[in-house]
Amino acid sequence: KAGVTQTPRYLIKTRGQQVTLSCSPISGHRSVSWYQQTPGQGLQFLFEYFSETQRNKGNFPGRFSGRQFSNSRSEMNVSTLELGDSALYLCASSPGQGGSSGNTIYFGEGSWLTVV
Amino acid sequence: AQKVTQAQTEISVVEKEDVTLDCVYETRDTTYYLFWYKQPPSGELVFLIRRNSFDEQNEISGRYSWNFQKSTSSFNFTITASQVVDSAVYFCALSEEGAGNMLTFGGGTRLMVKP
Repeated sequence: KAGVTQTPRYLIKTRGQQVTLSCSPISGHRSVSWYQQTPGQGLQFLFEYFSETQRNKGNFPGRFSGRQFSNSRSEMNVSTLELGDSALYLCASSPGQGGSSGNTIYFGEGSWLTVV
Repeated sequence: AQKVTQAQTEISVVEKEDVTLDCVYETRDTTYYLFWYKQPPSGELVFLIRRNSFDEQNEISGRYSWNFQKSTSSFNFTITASQVVDSAVYFCALSEEGAGNMLTFGGGTRLMVKP
């Protein structure tokens, strides 16, 4: 069974540009969430999508957005990139909403974004 | 608000030593879920364990064991007879009931196992 797949793995962008990252969840999983990891702030929750609807959102500016498609694949977009957006962006998938149904949350290998 | 604290930022041990990684959490919910993840240099977060707040039984999986104590809000992780391959950053995380799959992570503990 394939794991969570994220593309691209590495990318370099210039300040002011925008970037789109893609995530394919584990087959059958309907919940996709995104996290940002930086040395200074650690792992921070960006947002979660379930059945194409954003269910939770972290404390990030509006430049960070995402969406989920009918096949559960998800994309996140960062517009007007800043140097501080350089980070590892991790996508996670889970069978359903919440942990009460015994869901485990699985992560992909991440997308390493460098903003210059 | 929920919070996870991993006070040990870095631990260095010699192979075959036992090592315990500490995790203390804060939450107002009575139902919550605790996780441990391992992050090798490649970046992927590898799932290790998930524990429900209503299940305080300790768990052992091979060389790994977890001690969950609600009385002290702790969920510690012990590696017995550590190996070089255990070298990684380990994260403890908390998810509250009703918060979907939103995880609050601790700062992580970097474990270095020397041969």
